[in-house]
Amino acid sequence: GIQVEQSPPDLILQEGANSTLRCNFSDSVNNLQWFHQNPWGQLINLFYIPSGTKQNGRLSATTVATERYSLLYISSSQTTDSGVYFCAVGVSFNKFYFGSGTKLNVKP
Amino acid sequence: DGGITQSPKYLFRKEGQNVTLSCEQNLNHDAMYWYRQDPGQGLRLIYYSQIVNDFQKGDIAEGYSVSREKKESFPLTVTSAQKNPTAFYLCASSPRTSVGNEQFFGPGTRLTVL
Repeated sequence: GIQVEQSPPDLILQEGANSTLRCNFSDSVNNLQWFHQNPWGQLINLFYIPSGTKQNGRLSATTVATERYSLLYISSSQTTDSGVYFCAVGVSFNKFYFGSGTKLNVKP
Repeated sequence: DGGITQSPKYLFRKEGQNVTLSCEQNLNHDAMYWYRQDPGQGLRLIYYSQIVNDFQKGDIAEGYSVSREKKESFPLTVTSAQKNPTAFYLCASSPRTSVGNEQFFGPGTRLTVL
């Protein structure tokens, strides 16, 4: 199956700092999502972004499909941004592969 | 409200017992999925279903079974053959379109084998 690598695995930020999370994948995909998993385990959809750039408030994402990577940008981080961020990629209509996640800790 | 529900939230099971986890969606999505998450890990696909009365094995299907008799429901049975069933189980659904599909997740069920 598709290999998905996320970096960094762990990230500690001071509140107000900016960060970039990266997702590399090993094959062509036609689906890509970024999720935030909160402390209770709920996966929250951040972006559906198989290509291009999207922005939603302090978060933005860019996927360069031809080079097989995606970036998630978090600006002016807040303590509520803490949690695990997952990238998931799909190669058909119905199968997704997840990376191991980036664990973010934003300190006040 | 539209969404995906999973029950129960917590489940305890004795070794050797089968247990069924419920997943229901009212989003009118065709596709449904079951994932397993172990501590500190990503999600791994157990089973998925593109349409009623049809389902396919994912990467870790051994010891699990599913059914898809209704579009809204996709229950997962963890059988006694699953050697290490303690984990967090997540159900998802997605529409099935020609331009791709976005998955939406339920709140999950935490299964502990005693």
